[in-house]
Amino acid sequence: GEDVEQSLFLSVREGDSSVINCTYTDSSSTYLYWYKQEPGAGLQLLTYIFSNMDMKQDQRLTVLLNKKDKHLSLRIADTQTGDSAIYFCAETTYGNNRLAFGKGNQVVVIP
Amino acid sequence: DTEVTQTPKHLVMGMTNKKSLKCEQHMGHRAMYWYKQKAKKPPELMFVYSYEKLSINESVPSRFSPECPNSSLLNLHLHALQPEDSALYLCASSQGRPNTGELFFGEGSRLTVL
Repeated sequence: GEDVEQSLFLSVREGDSSVINCTYTDSSSTYLYWYKQEPGAGLQLLTYIFSNMDMKQDQRLTVLLNKKDKHLSLRIADTQTGDSAIYFCAETTYGNNRLAFGKGNQVVVIP
Repeated sequence: DTEVTQTPKHLVMGMTNKKSLKCEQHMGHRAMYWYKQKAKKPPELMFVYSYEKLSINESVPSRFSPECPNSSLLNLHLHALQPEDSALYLCASSQGRPNTGELFFGEGSRLTVL
């Protein structure tokens, strides 16, 4: 798959905002995703954004997309202990069954 | 029903054993996937079935053999595995064509090869 880069570890206090970043290299990406994986579980789709959008807000989640810099971010407002997980960004193009995942970013929420 | 169910949750096998992992979904999805995931790493795609036909094989060794008996079921047959094959095996499904990448994942089968 294409290269998708993520930073590795983030520690955040409960109630604060957390921001996870991701860069990708495939400029033809159509869809960009954020998946969450809690310990011992599968991946859960959190949210996604189309490449023709700059921002998407979904309750506590805000996704920002900078196509020029190929940069994707996920902001979690009012972070809760249940947000402790590994977060993977992923990208694909329309009609492609391959998802390219980033390395993942572990978020640890401190009570 | 928005679940992908995988069995067994845990499997320990020797290198000479033959075992199978099973996956089931009842969302009417027509694409099903096997991923392998090592600890703290992203999932690695192994196989994709689209409309019950194998559409992607990511050069997976033949000791892993996928099977899609019908649109709701996906199996992964295991034979003569190596200790380095120990991992979490994730099944996923999606609507199929056109695919937007919205995958629904199962909880995974954690495999240990002794």
